[in-house]
Amino acid sequence: AQKVTQAQTEISVVEKEDVTLDCVYETRDTTYYLFWYKQPPSGELVFLIRRNSFDEQNEISGRYSWNFQKSTSSFNFTITASQVVDSAVYFCALSVAGTASKLTFGTGTRLQVTL
Amino acid sequence: NAGVTQTPKFRILKIGQSMTLQCTQDMNHNYMYWYRQDPGMGLKLIYYSVGAGITDKGEVPNGYNVSRSTTEDFPLRLELAAPSQTSVYFCASSSRLAGAFEQYFGPGTRLTVT
Repeated sequence: AQKVTQAQTEISVVEKEDVTLDCVYETRDTTYYLFWYKQPPSGELVFLIRRNSFDEQNEISGRYSWNFQKSTSSFNFTITASQVVDSAVYFCALSVAGTASKLTFGTGTRLQVTL
Repeated sequence: NAGVTQTPKFRILKIGQSMTLQCTQDMNHNYMYWYRQDPGMGLKLIYYSVGAGITDKGEVPNGYNVSRSTTEDFPLRLELAAPSQTSVYFCASSSRLAGAFEQYFGPGTRLTVT
């Protein structure tokens, strides 16, 4: 069985601070995919990134960056120079190859960015 | 493209009533899913489908039924609604094309059972 743990329930930062959201996963499979989704106050789920288990390169997209480390089973998400619009719940999720892309979600981290 | 659409957006049911949550996608995705999101929790998979005519249970299927007669539609049926089914329900779809595993979600249906 797969498991995703997001130990940080809520994080509050002041605008322009950097913030890292932690994600730790468990799986016995060797081929799997990791995801981050954003859920703003409006409630929809927005796909942010997918990472394959065989690609440990870090990724940067604007103010967002992701650090994937298989050695520690972690897939952390950093927002640089946070903005109020980043306020949302962020979910980390995992799917295993050959399982119809079913997602196992973490419980989410609520990020509050204030002025 | 509208993506994944869900109706209704909100619904209040009395205990014991039944209803169907509608989900339609226009991306020609083979895979479709139903999740529920309870407060403070992540999403949990209720049912999923890998193509028309094929459905299977997820982690929390009790009290629900699904059907998939077309590629586009994946309705979720609640029979004999119970307060424990109060939740936000999300439908999602994804493609089985290689390298395209991310799921795209509908806007959700907020259901209250009283």
